Amino acid sequence: EIVLTQSPGTLSLSPGERATLSCRASQSVNNFYLAWYQQKPGQAPRLLIYGASSRATGIPDRFSGSGSGTDFTLTITRLEPEDFAVYYCQQYGSSPWTFGQGTKVEIK
Amino acid sequence: EEQLVQSGEEVKKPGESLKISCKGSGYRFTNYWIGWVRQMPGKGLEWMGIIYPGDSDTRYSPSFQGQVTISADKSITTAYLQWSRLKASDTAMYYCARQADYLVFDVWGQGTMVTVSS
Repeated sequence: EIVLTQSPGTLSLSPGERATLSCRASQSVNNFYLAWYQQKPGQAPRLLIYGASSRATGIPDRFSGSGSGTDFTLTITRLEPEDFAVYYCQQYGSSPWTFGQGTKVEIK
Repeated sequence: EEQLVQSGEEVKKPGESLKISCKGSGYRFTNYWIGWVRQMPGKGLEWMGIIYPGDSDTRYSPSFQGQVTISADKSITTAYLQWSRLKASDTAMYYCARQADYLVFDVWGQGTMVTVSS
């Protein structure tokens, strides 16, 4: 199965700053089948990005995804207070689908 | 509104059986795969498996094959996750989620917390 490694484990930033989250796959992800989810404490995950770079319905344009093959990035251009959360990448190009271990974006 | 509503929190003893549910509404239940995701306390997300309620085609992650059973009853638009003999290590939050046409989970249930303790 494909192992996804996210870095850093924790990102300490201030509101208004730019966040760059990385997701590296142990083998190439087919067809850009890489998604990003956001999870806040006590809540279910929420889909942000699919197909490596397509925003899900209702997701603000400060969230963007990029990458291909084994290296993918989620960028949040200007952090809003509601963006402090844990972010997971997921590949769905090869069964079983797998998730990364998460990156926590915390307030500095 | 498209939504998935899961059954309530469970507290069980090791060796007991359990079946938790996930009811879909607001969309054609038989046309979308439903997946299950485990989140152990303080940990990340783990993809367990998926089922297509239209014909009950089911796929499991190798990590969960033989450990759980995923099923669905399309007549009542409900998917299930069950255990025959629970272990303490099954303690976790379990989410169901709808797999969209583009293969990602776009609608999530609120989660069911399962605690297994003697």
